[in-house]
Amino acid sequence: AQSVTQLDSHVSVSEGTPVLLRCNYSSSYSPSLFWYVQHPNKGLQLLLKYTSAATLVKGINGFEAEFKKSETSFHLTKPSAHMSDAAEYFCVVSERGNTPLVFGKGTRLSVIA
Amino acid sequence: DGGITQSPKYLFRKEGQNVTLSCEQNLNHDAMYWYRQDPGQGLRLIYYSQIVNDFQKGDIAEGYSVSREKKESFPLTVTSAQKNPTAFYLCASSRPGLAGGPDNEQFFGPGTRLTVL
Repeated sequence: AQSVTQLDSHVSVSEGTPVLLRCNYSSSYSPSLFWYVQHPNKGLQLLLKYTSAATLVKGINGFEAEFKKSETSFHLTKPSAHMSDAAEYFCVVSERGNTPLVFGKGTRLSVIA
Repeated sequence: DGGITQSPKYLFRKEGQNVTLSCEQNLNHDAMYWYRQDPGQGLRLIYYSQIVNDFQKGDIAEGYSVSREKKESFPLTVTSAQKNPTAFYLCASSRPGLAGGPDNEQFFGPGTRLTVL
């Protein structure tokens, strides 16, 4: 069975400093992995996705994530935080076949001026 | 513009009433999903449909019902049997239906916030 653990429920960074949001997954097969972002009272927007083509995935707004199979991790990073990055971030796993996506519980990112 | 629309944005319901949340997509996607979001709990799957006229229960289907008569529409009814319906409801769609696979990227609507008075 697949599962996702987001290791921090809340991360706070200063504007201009690096962002690290941590995600570990469990999957019986080679999974697809996604990061979504949600601003308050909005739907979810895809930041990036891993589908086995390359282990380092670049997304929108300067975010990237690295798939590490040996560590079963898919951490999200950004070199320099911007105030507009303040939002909820979800790590998501999908196995091949008909199984629905499995969402982590989310990490709330706060950016301090 | 292609996308997913949900209506209404805010919905208020009295206890004991059924309400229906609308979800429409013009992305020509086969699969559609309904999620419930509560603070600190992430997204929980209510129902999903991989093809017209077929749908499956998710993790928290009790007190909810759906229909999928058209490819572009997937309405969710919150019945009076749902004990705690106050939440933010999100609809999503994805391209693969029964095939599944790595392109199972989901596109989300803007959500409906339901409050029971």
